[in-house]
Amino acid sequence: SYELTQAVSVSVALGQTAKITCDGNNIGRKNVHWYQQKPGQAPEVVINTDKNRPSGIPERFSGSNSGNTATLTISRAQAGDEADYYCQVWDGSNWVFGGGTRLTVL
Amino acid sequence: QLVESGGGLVQPGGSLRLSCAASGFVLEMYSMNWVRQAPGKGLEWVAFISSQSRTIHYGDSVKGRFTISRDNAQNSLYLQMNNLRAEDTAVYYCVRELGIAEGLDFWGPGTLVTISS
Repeated sequence: SYELTQAVSVSVALGQTAKITCDGNNIGRKNVHWYQQKPGQAPEVVINTDKNRPSGIPERFSGSNSGNTATLTISRAQAGDEADYYCQVWDGSNWVFGGGTRLTVL
Repeated sequence: QLVESGGGLVQPGGSLRLSCAASGFVLEMYSMNWVRQAPGKGLEWVAFISSQSRTIHYGDSVKGRFTISRDNAQNSLYLQMNNLRAEDTAVYYCVRELGIAEGLDFWGPGTLVTISS
């Protein structure tokens, strides 16, 4: 079965740029979606189809996908960006989630 | 809006039926999914059902025990869970899907299922 690997945690200084990666075999050939989950809340999509921002998501959030790595980039990180972030792809007959990355804004 | 219901405490081996009521959009236009999250753990996809129920998929951990269904006339989605195990303990989310290319765009608040004796 297809696997997605994410770092358990990432830290970023306030106002700096955070990069959260998602590794998978030839993930560049798949559509990658990213979800943000804050404590006690349901997940929310922040990037779909590799790099598209749904309505209401700040321009500070961007995505890329190539080769074996997809990346969620959060520019000018704010305290409110602290959350768990999950990548996701469709693997033919299953949705697959990465294990999630906890972003801490210092 | 998506609102799940039916969660609760069940003994191992028991059954539970979750429901998800959709409002503000026409459910029959969308494929739907159930996704769960065990306490302190990550997201795990559970099941998928296409808009007219023609295509259904299950995650390996629930295959043969869970059944996803829908009633478009009632704008409702269901998850019948049988032979429940301790590892099924999780918050279960009802999630709307835009498609494989666009992902899951709308999540309910979730309902907690606890399997314990």
